Amino acid sequence: AQKVTQAQTEISVVEKEDVTLDCVYETRDTTYYLFWYKQPPSGELVFLIRRNSFDEQNEISGRYSWNFQKSTSSFNFTITASQVVDSAVYFCALSEASAGGTSYGKLTFGQGTILTVHP
Amino acid sequence: DTAVSQTPKYLVTQMGNDKSIKCEQNLGHDTMYWYKQDSKKFLKIMFSYNNKELIINETVPNRFSPKSPDKAHLNLHINSLELGDSAVYFCASSLGPGPYEQYFGPGTRLTVT
Repeated sequence: AQKVTQAQTEISVVEKEDVTLDCVYETRDTTYYLFWYKQPPSGELVFLIRRNSFDEQNEISGRYSWNFQKSTSSFNFTITASQVVDSAVYFCALSEASAGGTSYGKLTFGQGTILTVHP
Repeated sequence: DTAVSQTPKYLVTQMGNDKSIKCEQNLGHDTMYWYKQDSKKFLKIMFSYNNKELIINETVPNRFSPKSPDKAHLNLHINSLELGDSAVYFCASSLGPGPYEQYFGPGTRLTVT
């Protein structure tokens, strides 16, 4: 069975601070994909990134960066110079990639981290 | 153009009623999903269809019945609604049944009184 843990329930920062959201996962599959989604106060879920288990290179997209460490089963998300518009619930998710497996293509989400950025 | 749309956005109904939520995607994707988000924001998959065929069926009461008339539509019918069914229901779609990114609809907030 696969599991995703986001230990930080809520984080509060002041604008321009950097913030890291932690994500730890468990899976028996050797091939899997990790995702981050953002859910702003308006409620929709916005896809941010998808990363496969064979690619441990860090990814940067503007103020967002992701650090994937297979050795610690972690896929952490950092927002640099946070802004009020970054306030949202952020979800980490895992999908196993072995065709025929019971969890193939099934997104398992973490509990989410509520990020509040104060002006 | 809305990629994944759901109707209605809000649904308030009484216990025991039957209701449906509709979902449509115009992304040309083959696979669609229903997720339930509870009051603690926890998201859990309920069903998935690939090209009109059910491929994921989680442990969901059989009062919930999905229907996919074609690969662009996935509807969710709920019989005999209970208080515990109150949640936000999200429809999503992806290119195929594998570990692709999923694109979500705006959600339907269901309140059972």
